[in-house]
Amino acid sequence: GMPVEQNPPALSLYEGADSGLRCNFSTTMKSVQWFQQNHRGRLITLFYLAQGTKENGRLKSTFNSKERYSTLHIKDAQLEDSGTYFCAAEDGDNSKLIWGLGTSLVVNP
Amino acid sequence: GGIITQTPKFLIGQEGQKLTLKCQQNFNHDTMYWYRQDSGKGLRLIYYSITENDLQKGDLSEGYDASREKKSSFSLTVTSAQKNEMAVFLCASSSERLFFGHGTKLSVL
Repeated sequence: GMPVEQNPPALSLYEGADSGLRCNFSTTMKSVQWFQQNHRGRLITLFYLAQGTKENGRLKSTFNSKERYSTLHIKDAQLEDSGTYFCAAEDGDNSKLIWGLGTSLVVNP
Repeated sequence: GGIITQTPKFLIGQEGQKLTLKCQQNFNHDTMYWYRQDSGKGLRLIYYSITENDLQKGDLSEGYDASREKKSSFSLTVTSAQKNEMAVFLCASSSERLFFGHGTKLSVL
């Protein structure tokens, strides 16, 4: 399978809803980053995690290297949260960054 | 804060043409990257560079050249543009976190 599997491929939420995105890894990764790509194509780094959990406003991300997954949780979804969310994990062996295929999120009023 | 500037923002080329994309960063980051993003897909690494004058091939290096003559700049050359090719090329630099430019949208007629 894919070294980085991102789920779900697409997600539709109403404003105010909470939801989570997940990346599963086929092997032990050294770190993970989460990105949001907006409708203009601009990529913004949301989180960098080598372990544990980080929070920033309505977003929270967890990385469990041993269990081979990372999650991004969105609380109280807003219209501006719409976009494509990517995770990218750093391979422990050769430090290459491996990208998921993204989750396309639409937040509806 | 720093910024990554990609030029041009839009590039229209002819089949077989050699095209150069430029990227400048003022973060003073050692590592810089060129990614290609096709519509609806994730990012694929073309070339990266860990320091001035260093070049490392990514997964998609065939058909491209790159140059890192200065720490702050990393250019990418499409050696022979393919007809009907359309993609966005994203430049990034990193310490741990990745920072991206706005992208160069390429269309080949």
